[in-house]
Amino acid sequence: SAVISQKPSRDICQRGTSLTIQCQVDSQVTMMFWYRQQPGQSLTLIATANQGSEATYESGFVIDKFPISRPNLTFSTLTVSNMSPEDSSIYLCSVRDQSGNTIYFGEGSWLTVV
Amino acid sequence: KQEVTQIPAALSVPEGENLVLNCSFTDSAIYNLQWFRQDPGKGLTSLLLIQSSQREQTSGRLNASLDKSSGRSTLYIAASQPGDSATYLCAVVENTDKLIFGTGTRLQVFP
Repeated sequence: SAVISQKPSRDICQRGTSLTIQCQVDSQVTMMFWYRQQPGQSLTLIATANQGSEATYESGFVIDKFPISRPNLTFSTLTVSNMSPEDSSIYLCSVRDQSGNTIYFGEGSWLTVV
Repeated sequence: KQEVTQIPAALSVPEGENLVLNCSFTDSAIYNLQWFRQDPGKGLTSLLLIQSSQREQTSGRLNASLDKSSGRSTLYIAASQPGDSATYLCAVVENTDKLIFGTGTRLQVFP
C-alpha cells in the first residue's frame, strides 16, 4: 500500500489569491493524479501529474488555472490560481501502487474561498 | 462516454442488517472496478478491487461482485455496524488509468 500526506488539510482563502497543495507519498510511484470533489458531488479527475514533464489535463481543466508540478516520483503539487468561490472543494491526490492495480487517495485538502 | 451510477443514493438501516449497494456502468470495456469508502470531510479508503477478469472479491464482512457484460457491480455488507456509516463510492478504470466515479451511496447504520 501507499501512504499519502497532503498539506494543507484545510484552508480558507481570499478570492483572487492562489494556493498550492502538496502531496507526499511514502514510496516511489509511477502514476499520480489530482482530483476535485465539489460540495455534494463525486470526484472528478483534474489531471495526471507526470514526472519530468507537463501534466495531462482532463477536459474542462487548464494549466493556467491548475498548474501542477512533479519533480520526482514521490512528490507533487497542485496550485489553484486566482480562486473564486466556485473553487471551494476538496482536492485529493491519488497514486497507483507499484503493482499497477490499486489506487490510493490522500486525506484531501478542503478549500473554502470567501 | 462512460457513466457510473449508484443506487440507492442514501440508505439508513438498523445495526445488524445485511446490505447491498449497487453500481452500474454504461461501457463494459473496463480495466477494473474499485470500491471506496469516504467518511465526512475525509479522503477515500480503498475497500476492494475487482479486476475485469474476476467475478468477486471478499474482505472481512465485505463482498464485491462484478458482472461486466451487464455493466453491474454490487457491494454486499454483512451484519452492518454503526462504524460502517459513510459514503460508499464505486469507480471504474478504463485503459487510460482514469477513475470514473459513481454518484455514491450515503449509508447510515444506527444502533
